[in-house]
Amino acid sequence: EVQLVESGGGLVQPGGSLRLSCAASGFSFSSYWMNWVRQAPGEGLEWVANMNQDGSVKNYVDSVKGRFTISRDNAKNSVYLQLNSLRAEDTAVYFCTSQISVGASWGQGTLVTVSA
Amino acid sequence: DIQMTQSPSSLSASVGDRVTITCRASQGIGNYLAWFQQKPGKAPRSLIYGVSSLQSGVPSKFSGSGSGTDFTLTITSLQPEDFATYYCLQYYANPVTFGQGTKLEIK
Repeated sequence: EVQLVESGGGLVQPGGSLRLSCAASGFSFSSYWMNWVRQAPGEGLEWVANMNQDGSVKNYVDSVKGRFTISRDNAKNSVYLQLNSLRAEDTAVYFCTSQISVGASWGQGTLVTVSA
Repeated sequence: DIQMTQSPSSLSASVGDRVTITCRASQGIGNYLAWFQQKPGKAPRSLIYGVSSLQSGVPSKFSGSGSGTDFTLTITSLQPEDFATYYCLQYYANPVTFGQGTKLEIK
């Protein structure tokens, strides 16, 4: 059974940092692109970033470029999202998802709240 | 960036009905389109990828079609568990973009 489990969310002040983790199991993790998607309270889904199988290709939505960094450790079957210079508008549930083109699996999400 | 426009934004239907949700891309996206279902307080669930390929475990009451810029999600024989918000997504080009969502409510 495919499982994605996010962790690392929490309450952080504006300008602060967090590192989100997503642990994968039940599929050949190193063979797939991985994504991060977020959802602000009461809003729709927003794609944030993705990364290819060996980490050599990374893409970001404009609003997080230069502040967020996606990375992965294939030995640990994990993908990460480093969130720096956080703003109130980054408050959201962050989901990791597997490769969309073959039918994405989703984690349960982790809540990031940016507030003073 | 490719804009994805869903219609309608909300839809009321009855149990047993057949509904169709439309998604239009601002430019051609080939077959790089997926559909997701989300219930309140839950993670999204993948329904369809590649325009019409059904995710494993998803019932055949869900179907997708379309090409180029215009796509549809059809749900037949609506059941109470189908009332949710539905999103389309294009993965033809980065940034990947979602539609704004269609909320399917019970009439």
